[in-house]
Amino acid sequence: DIQMTQSPSSLSASVGDRVTITCRASQRIGRLLNWYHHKPGEAPKLLIYGVSTLHSGVPSRFSGSGSGTDFTLTISSLQPEDFGTFYCQQSYSSSITFGQGTRLDIK
Amino acid sequence: QVQLVESGPGLVKPSETLSLTCNVSGTSISSGGYYWSWIRQHPGKGLEWIGYIYYRGNTYYNPSLTSRVSISLDTSKNQFSLEVKSVTAADTAVYYCASCREVPAAAPFDFWGQGTLVTVSS
Repeated sequence: DIQMTQSPSSLSASVGDRVTITCRASQRIGRLLNWYHHKPGEAPKLLIYGVSTLHSGVPSRFSGSGSGTDFTLTISSLQPEDFGTFYCQQSYSSSITFGQGTRLDIK
Repeated sequence: QVQLVESGPGLVKPSETLSLTCNVSGTSISSGGYYWSWIRQHPGKGLEWIGYIYYRGNTYYNPSLTSRVSISLDTSKNQFSLEVKSVTAADTAVYYCASCREVPAAAPFDFWGQGTLVTVSS
């Protein structure tokens, strides 16, 4: 299986902060990388697919970048509703895997 | 917009079979373009892909679960189902169904159900 490792595992930030979450794959996965946002008690939501394409309706403060093995999710100006856990996911392998998640708390 | 709703027992006894159904609306599961998926989240843990089924019936499973898992389609009811055999407490989780787009190549899970908690206990 391709292992996906996210860092940090958790962070706390203030409204208006710029937040960056990284995801590293155990082997090269091209651009087959997606990001999700999951709030407790809700369904996970697709944020970004194919490294950098925003899903319909996702605010432009979210952006993604990277290629090969190293990827980044950036929130340009953190909003109160952005709390929750963020996951990366690779679809390069037929055995799909997610990162362990990054929990984001609002200070 | 695709909508998915999971249903099934919330409590399953050890060694028995867990069975869940996902009802799909907003699209026909037989029309193509999607892999119909199951994903679970153990308590306090991250997301684990279980497997998915293509509209033509091709199935793909997580290698760690493939001996116990089965996913099937019921096109007459526009729903798909999950079975996990010989369950243990380690199968206690919130189970989500999701649609996985065939295109683009990144095949994202673009719509998800709300999830259903399944507890394995005697």
